[in-house]
This record gives sequence, C-alpha cells and structure tokens, in this order.
Amino acid sequence: DGGITQSPKYLFRKEGQNVTLSCEQNLNHDAMYWYRQDPGQGLRLIYYSQIVNDFQKGDIAEGYSVSREKKESFPLTVTSAQKNPTAFYLCASSIRDTQYFGPGTRLTVL
Amino acid sequence: AQSVAQPEDQVNVAEGNPLTVKCTYSVSGNPYLFWYVQYPNRGLQFLLKYITGDNLVKGSYGFEAEFNKSQTSFHLKKPSALVSDSALYFCAVFPRNNDMRFGAGTRLTVKP
Repeated sequence: DGGITQSPKYLFRKEGQNVTLSCEQNLNHDAMYWYRQDPGQGLRLIYYSQIVNDFQKGDIAEGYSVSREKKESFPLTVTSAQKNPTAFYLCASSIRDTQYFGPGTRLTVL
Repeated sequence: AQSVAQPEDQVNVAEGNPLTVKCTYSVSGNPYLFWYVQYPNRGLQFLLKYITGDNLVKGSYGFEAEFNKSQTSFHLKKPSALVSDSALYFCAVFPRNNDMRFGAGTRLTVKP
C-alpha cells in the first residue's frame, strides 16, 4: 500500500446522506484515481486527475464528485444520487505507467 | 472495444505445484500489461509489468509472466506455489492513450 492512505477503513451511511472518502499520498505522484470494486466485476474507474485543479470522469462517475486542490489529496464524495453505493472503494496514484493503490474504504449503506 | 479477460474465476493448486493464472487482452496498439494481487480487505499490490523487450517478465514474490503477442496473452506463472499465494489476482492493460483496464479477477487457492 506504500505511501497512499485512505480513511476511514469502514464507513456506514444512511440512505440520502452524502459521504466523503479521503485519499492522501506522499509519493509526489501527479496522477490520482478512484475505483469502485464490486464482487466479480474487477475495478471500475470513477474519476481521475492528472494534475492539480483538473479531473476527468471515468466510466461510472454518476453520483460521485471529486476535488483536487492539492497534489497530495484527492477526496471522493459519494452523493445521495448514487443509487447503489455499497462497495469497496480504492484510491490509486501513479507516476508514468504504474498505479499504486491505497488500502481501500468499504462503504455500506444502511 | 478495449478489454481484458481472465477466463477463470477460480484456480486451485496444491502447494509446491506450478501455477498459471490466465489473461488475454483486446487492445489496439502495444499496451503496457500488468499483474496485481489483492489480499482480503486490502488494496491492490503491484506484482509486475511488461512494457517492451523480453517476453518473460519477472516480478515480486517469485512470480513471472509471459507475454505472447500473437495470442494477445499475458499469463501469470510461478514454478512452486505457496499457501500464502492464495489471493485475488488482477490482470490490467494500459493502452497508453487511455485509462487502465482491469480484468474481473481470478481467485487463486493454494492448498497444503
């Protein structure tokens, strides 16, 4: 998991609430990514950012939002518009071609 | 469409036997190819990658992978499996001008 931290490790949310997942890296990587992992589906890209103050939608961005105000931080907000948010969320950062992952946050909607 | 396939959901091997986890891809051009491993409730750990050069790539924990351009495959191998190798393995391709694409994962179980 290296120099990428995600918090919290477990998160419980009531329906209709927004929640923010934290991702911090001290690797001085320019690019950062958010993935969602569901059983049997591999990883799906939610958002990515190649540089500070810029980010792009991935394959499943609906119901999610991000910001990239600092190079080290790339928080993900899961909004109430996300219909099925229960999943394991992984943050990654990269330099050139290789991505390195954080330990993940497991979000459960009650 | 660019995609990665891991045809086996589950692979079971006995400890000490060789293991192979299969991966095929459908990507235009010459992509970068990766293998990652995931232990329960953890993030993905980088194992190895192929960019160019020798078709046999060596990585962490004694794993290696063989790139076969004609078969568009990048199978992960290890000569002698350990019980501690039991985990979820992901193949990924990076088409360079696009996002990294991951396979659905293969669960490897090594039995004593």
